[in-house]
Amino acid sequence: GQNIDQPTEMTATEGAIVQINCTYQTSGFNGLFWYQQHAGEAPTFLSYNVLDGLEEKGRFSSFLSRSKGYSYLLLKELQMKDSASYLCAVRVRGASKIIFGSGTRLSIRP
Amino acid sequence: SQTIHQWPATLVQPVGSPLSLECTVEGTSNPNLYWYRQAAGRGLQLLFYSIGIDQISSEVPQNLSASRPQDRQFILSSKKLLLSDSGFYLCAWRGQGPEAFFGQGTRLTVV
Repeated sequence: GQNIDQPTEMTATEGAIVQINCTYQTSGFNGLFWYQQHAGEAPTFLSYNVLDGLEEKGRFSSFLSRSKGYSYLLLKELQMKDSASYLCAVRVRGASKIIFGSGTRLSIRP
Repeated sequence: SQTIHQWPATLVQPVGSPLSLECTVEGTSNPNLYWYRQAAGRGLQLLFYSIGIDQISSEVPQNLSASRPQDRQFILSSKKLLLSDSGFYLCAWRGQGPEAFFGQGTRLTVV
């Protein structure tokens, strides 16, 4: 079976840095995604990691450790518009399934 | 460029009524297609995914069904809606790349 865990809620301050963690247990792991979802809207793709290491894209970075079943999303220079839910998702090898975690609701305070 | 259309945006249906939600993708061929449901304040639950016409895998059978009559069309149906079917329904597609792209979603309220 598959299991994806991430914190339910986090709060951070504008201008600061926040790290959102995700742990997963899956059979046939074939990559990990991070999506951003603003309230009432569809998720939008942020990043994809399939190999160990850090992928940087502007203010957002994503890290993966396959041996530990662990990923994090790092958001720098936080802005109020970064207030959203951040969804960790895993793609299962041998199938086209993409399984999502429950998401982390991030609130940014001034 | 590729686009995904999902309609309607909102829907209010009585308990016991049928449901049909449609999703179409443009600008790509043979996409993987997905239906997810999101309860209020929760994550995305995978309902169905399809790798080709008439090739559909069900993750949460029960009250819902899916069909793919054409390569770029994916339909979610129910014969009789339950109160628990309320939620935000999202269609997504994936092409050659790994990531999936979502439609704007349908907010379904069963009353």
